[in-house]
Amino acid sequence: DAKTTQPNSMESNEEEPVHLPCNHSTISGTDYIHWYRQLPSQGPEYVIHGLTSNVNNRMASLAIAEDRKSSTLILHRATLRDAAVYYCILRDMDSGNTPLVFGKGTRLSVIA
Amino acid sequence: DAGVTQSPTHLIKTRGQHVTLRCSPISGHKSVSWYQQVLGQGPQFIFQYYEKEERGRGNFPDRFSARQFPNYSSELNVNALLLGDSALYLCASSLDLAGDQETQYFGPGTRLLVL
Repeated sequence: DAKTTQPNSMESNEEEPVHLPCNHSTISGTDYIHWYRQLPSQGPEYVIHGLTSNVNNRMASLAIAEDRKSSTLILHRATLRDAAVYYCILRDMDSGNTPLVFGKGTRLSVIA
Repeated sequence: DAGVTQSPTHLIKTRGQHVTLRCSPISGHKSVSWYQQVLGQGPQFIFQYYEKEERGRGNFPDRFSARQFPNYSSELNVNALLLGDSALYLCASSLDLAGDQETQYFGPGTRLLVL
């Protein structure tokens, strides 16, 4: 599986936008970029995924670089409930049957 | 709609014992995957089942086994428990195995402590 690199931790003020970066320089043409987050004492939660175009949903936005070697998860207004570990994961969706390969993720702290 | 449910929520065992963890997927989901998460690390893949058949296995010893039932619920069994098996065991379900239906939804996990 192609690897991703994320900062170990980040900090944000409440109600400010947060940009969580992810580098994936060895991404292949069929790899989708997935983001999951894990709140304290909970299982991981799907956030968003994309292939080439930027994506928006009710939770976040995903900005994908033109060369696809990096991406950024954007939380438009961080709340205290967004404090979690955020995982950037590559999945070859075309081959199917691929488990999620988690790294250590980015621990996001939100300050009131 | 109910999400993925797991039982028990917490469990304490001693070395050498065996344990059975249970998972009920979201209604209509046909695939179940199991992950182990030790403290401070991301979850590690153990097994994936689809339509009662094993479709993937991670790098875990044969002491770990699983099965999926006709109602798509699943059990994870671990024999001859070691201290290092202490972890949060997560179950995830997905509608199918391909495309957007492959998005996995996780349960809250079972926290296992081996003494």
